[in-house]
Amino acid sequence: RKEVEQDPGPFNVPEGATVAFNCTYSNSASQSFFWYRQDCRKEPKLLMSVYSSGNEDGRFTAQLNRASQYISLLIRDSKLSDSATYLCVVNYRKQFYFGTGTSLTVIP
Amino acid sequence: DAGVIQSPRHEVTEMGQEVTLRCKPISGHDYLFWYRQTMMRGLELLIYFNNNVPIDDSGMPEDRFSAKMPNASFSTLKIQPSEPRDSAVYFCASSFRDSSTPQETQYFGPGTRLLVL
Repeated sequence: RKEVEQDPGPFNVPEGATVAFNCTYSNSASQSFFWYRQDCRKEPKLLMSVYSSGNEDGRFTAQLNRASQYISLLIRDSKLSDSATYLCVVNYRKQFYFGTGTSLTVIP
Repeated sequence: DAGVIQSPRHEVTEMGQEVTLRCKPISGHDYLFWYRQTMMRGLELLIYFNNNVPIDDSGMPEDRFSAKMPNASFSTLKIQPSEPRDSAVYFCASSFRDSSTPQETQYFGPGTRLLVL
């Protein structure tokens, strides 16, 4: 079983739409959680950390449900520039486990 | 800071040849990670170092792969001999464990695109 599982998509949404991604992780002792963004042929870059109480950064909201072992990312008012692959990342004992990513394309 | 630096950015080689990938982490970072990314398997951790010491190399696929970190500012990943199935993007990342914050983040280099013919 993979440590982190994500729906690979693709998600194709119109500009201005709200889109949500979910991710599940297998290790209940996982310590920290993140969403990374990866543009085509580029390196992954940190989008935001995910805190137990949930956190928001502009149009992006991340939630963590430890009981159900899932993480979510909500993007409101999608922009063309949001088109990318979104990677769910879980940290356990210094090891970072990456999901395979969810592909998002925002359509004009 | 220049960020994590990797070289070469692209490498094309023939099966059986030795390949050496290089990484310079962000100054002051005490962890360094090597990853491999393919379409089929996504990002896989190969090995990571803490203060130049290899901590976990369980992700290294086989003995053909080796990694070193002779000092805090340089690491290499070597494949000898290379095979076509090693074709992938290899990323180096570094991080700094700050005890004042519960989270830490990894910063990735631009990657090396390796093609083994």
